Amino acid sequence: DVKVTQSSRYLVKRTGEKVFLECVQDMDHENMFWYRQDPGLGLRLIYFSYDVKMKEKGDIPEGYSVSREKKERFSLILESASTNQTSMYLCASRTDPGQLFFSGNTIYFGEGSWLTVV
Amino acid sequence: AQTVTQSQPEMSVQEAETVTLSCTYDTSENNYYLFWYKQPPSRQMILVIRQEAYKQQNATENRFSVNFQKAAKSFSLKISDSQLGDTAMYFCAFMTSLGMNSGGYQKVTFGTGTKLQVIP
Repeated sequence: DVKVTQSSRYLVKRTGEKVFLECVQDMDHENMFWYRQDPGLGLRLIYFSYDVKMKEKGDIPEGYSVSREKKERFSLILESASTNQTSMYLCASRTDPGQLFFSGNTIYFGEGSWLTVV
Repeated sequence: AQTVTQSQPEMSVQEAETVTLSCTYDTSENNYYLFWYKQPPSRQMILVIRQEAYKQQNATENRFSVNFQKAAKSFSLKISDSQLGDTAMYFCAFMTSLGMNSGGYQKVTFGTGTKLQVIP
């Protein structure tokens, strides 16, 4: 089974702090994603990475950055945390053989990281 | 831009009954995937079912089936014989390639979710 692990389940940080959320997947997936989930807004894509050191902005990248130095690890960075970044953050991954349609195409999620900024 | 709309924020169903969750989407693409994900109180997102847009046959997974209407851009989820363990938030999602000008990557867009409560 694919395992996507988010190292921190619950964090409380102060406004202005730099925050790192770490995500590791064990299936050699090319694509990794960071979403935030808020009530009534569903999942919104922050950033995604299609390969090591490669990244693309999602729909709400402001206030965030990412790092993918190794294929299995994708980090989300809040350079200066603010209270409006209090949310649940979900990491996900999927393999990418270079085509949209293939058997087993799905996205695998971690368990989520609850971040509270005070 | 792709959008996914789930117009039912909350629903409830009696145990053993059938319930249908609606999802509509908007895209100009012809090739895409559609998914339903389930998020129980534990928060772990679990794939329920997926549908390739080029397939006319509706996908089925045990008690879960979809009604895929490509022309209407509709993708509803039917849960038969509802069980208490089906209580969860359900998300509809849409995946397509961004096109070669954007590197050909696949982007996934999620709806806002439907909270389903199964009542004993």
